[in-house]
Amino acid sequence: KAGVTQTPRYLIKTRGQQVTLSCSPISGHRSVSWYQQTPGQGLQFLFEYFSETQRNKGNFPGRFSGRQFSNSRSEMNVSTLELGDSALYLCASSLARGQGNTEAFFGQGTRLTVV
Amino acid sequence: AQSVTQPDIHITVSEGASLELRCNYSYGATPYLFWYVQSPGQGLQLLLKYFSGDTLVQGIKGFEAEFKRSQSSFNLRKPSVHWSDAAEYFCAVGARGSTLGRLYFGRGTQLTVWP
Repeated sequence: KAGVTQTPRYLIKTRGQQVTLSCSPISGHRSVSWYQQTPGQGLQFLFEYFSETQRNKGNFPGRFSGRQFSNSRSEMNVSTLELGDSALYLCASSLARGQGNTEAFFGQGTRLTVV
Repeated sequence: AQSVTQPDIHITVSEGASLELRCNYSYGATPYLFWYVQSPGQGLQLLLKYFSGDTLVQGIKGFEAEFKRSQSSFNLRKPSVHWSDAAEYFCAVGARGSTLGRLYFGRGTQLTVWP
């Protein structure tokens, strides 16, 4: 069974550009969440999608957005990149929303560097 | 507000020694509790989880954790550490009755293992 796949693994962008990151969840998983990991702030929740709808959102500016497709694949977009957006972006998938006795599986992440 | 505290930023142990990583949480009710491990440049791997029932839970790689409601703690233990256990460890909580997609993480404990 394939795990959570994130593409690309590494990205270098220039300040002011925009970027799109992709996440393919485990087959059958319908919930996809995104996290930003930085040395200064640790792991911070960005948003969660379930059935193509954003169900939960963390405390990030509107430059951070996302979407989920009918096959549960998800993308996140960051517009007008800032140096502080340099981070490891992690995607996690889980079987269903609000279901007990389940768990979140994480991808290997996309390392974004803004120069 | 939910929060997770891992008081130890960095722990160093000798191979074969026992290990305990501390985790305290603040939450209005009993949350779902998790321990994840992260190797450099990688995503998060679930070590173990607590949802309900027996407060001592067993995980992969010989790890266990004990939920203590009175102390709001969920400490991770291993009786004999192997050099391959060197990594960063994260404690996380998720809300019951809500989406598992939003996890609150501690700042992590970096484990160094001396040969």
